Amino acid sequence: GQNIDQPTEMTATEGAIVQINCTYQTSGFNGLFWYQQHAGEAPTFLSYNVLDGLEEKGRFSSFLSRSKGYSYLLLKELQMKDSASYLCAPRAGANNLFFGTGTRLTVIP
Amino acid sequence: EAQVTQNPRYLITVTGKKLTVTCSQNMNHEYMSWYRQDPGLGLRQIYYSMNVEVTDKGDVPEGYKVSRKEKRNFPLILESPSPNQTSLYFCASKTGGDEQYFGPGTRLTVT
Repeated sequence: GQNIDQPTEMTATEGAIVQINCTYQTSGFNGLFWYQQHAGEAPTFLSYNVLDGLEEKGRFSSFLSRSKGYSYLLLKELQMKDSASYLCAPRAGANNLFFGTGTRLTVIP
Repeated sequence: EAQVTQNPRYLITVTGKKLTVTCSQNMNHEYMSWYRQDPGLGLRQIYYSMNVEVTDKGDVPEGYKVSRKEKRNFPLILESPSPNQTSLYFCASKTGGDEQYFGPGTRLTVT
């Protein structure tokens, strides 16, 4: 079965750092994706982790611990345009992606 | 420009009237998929296709049909839509183990 848990909402200040956590229980786990989705728009790819550790990509970093079933997305130097939902999506096998309900991040001035 | 396109973007229809939502990608991707997104439930997979003439059920296939006659197209068919199929629908495609590229979405309302 699949179980994905991430906070529903978070608020952070422009210029700050925010960490969005995700825990998962995924049969046949084969990597974890993070997507960003602005309201009413399509999800867009942010990061992918298949091995334990931190992957850094500019202002965004993502961490994975497979033994703990845990991942986080770290956003640095927050900008107003980062206000969006962030979707944690573990993958099972080669193709089956399961999405969490998302964390709605609001960035305030 | 590499993209996934969906049509229509918005549709209001009545219960029982058959409809098709088209999806097309120009990236020569083997894998295509349909999701629906509902408040509080996240994105749920309806059907997916590994390649031409190969389709399989996702988590919520009831009430939907798909076909994959060409690599670039993956239409979603609702033979007899019902109000519980009111949702935001996304088509996506990918190649290999890469990330999925999503279309812009189709907002469907069934009255």
